Amino acid sequence: AQKITQTQPGMFVQEKEAVTLDCTYDTSDPSYGLFWYKQPSSGEMIFLIYQGSYDQQNATEGRYSLNFQKARKSANLVISASQLGDSAMYFCAMREGSASYDKVIFGPGTSLSVIP
Amino acid sequence: NAGVMQNPRHLVRRRGQEARLRCSPMKGHSHVYWYRQLPEEGLKFMVYLQKENIIDESGMPKERFSAEFPKEGPSILRIQQVVRGDSAAYFCASSPTARATNEKLFFGSGTQLSVL
Repeated sequence: AQKITQTQPGMFVQEKEAVTLDCTYDTSDPSYGLFWYKQPSSGEMIFLIYQGSYDQQNATEGRYSLNFQKARKSANLVISASQLGDSAMYFCAMREGSASYDKVIFGPGTSLSVIP
Repeated sequence: NAGVMQNPRHLVRRRGQEARLRCSPMKGHSHVYWYRQLPEEGLKFMVYLQKENIIDESGMPKERFSAEFPKEGPSILRIQQVVRGDSAAYFCASSPTARATNEKLFFGSGTQLSVL
């Protein structure tokens, strides 16, 4: 069964500091993709970063990086130099292939608040 | 290049009425996913459709909910005889392929359904 776990319902971080948002996943499929999305209070889903199961290096996109530990099945998001605009919900997602199509499931999310 | 278009943005219905939510995928995308987000929760998969076919409806409630993606026109999520528990944000996402674990989903802005 597919499963995404985000154990931190809420996180606080001081502006300009770094923060790590946890994500663990469960899959028996060797080929999968991991994604992080940001959902600000306005509600839209904003794609942040992607990590493939076969990627040897951790993904980075600007201030976002993904700490991918395949053996532990974790894909933590690291946000460096936090900004007030980073305050939002953050969702970890996994795209896993089946015989004929992929399914994308989401974790419960982490609410991040950046403190001035 | 228009993104995923959802309408209406907000929909208010009284208990017992029908709700019809529309989603036009990105140009060139023939794969549509519907998700439901209850307040303070993550996105729950509802249904995955390709043109004229329902591929996976394992997340759809057995009664009152239906979805379609006709050959021409938008995908429709239909909720009959709405109840207060149907109040949620409904997101549509599209993808150009069925099998590509490195392909992110492109999301619409969502429809906020409120049942009075």
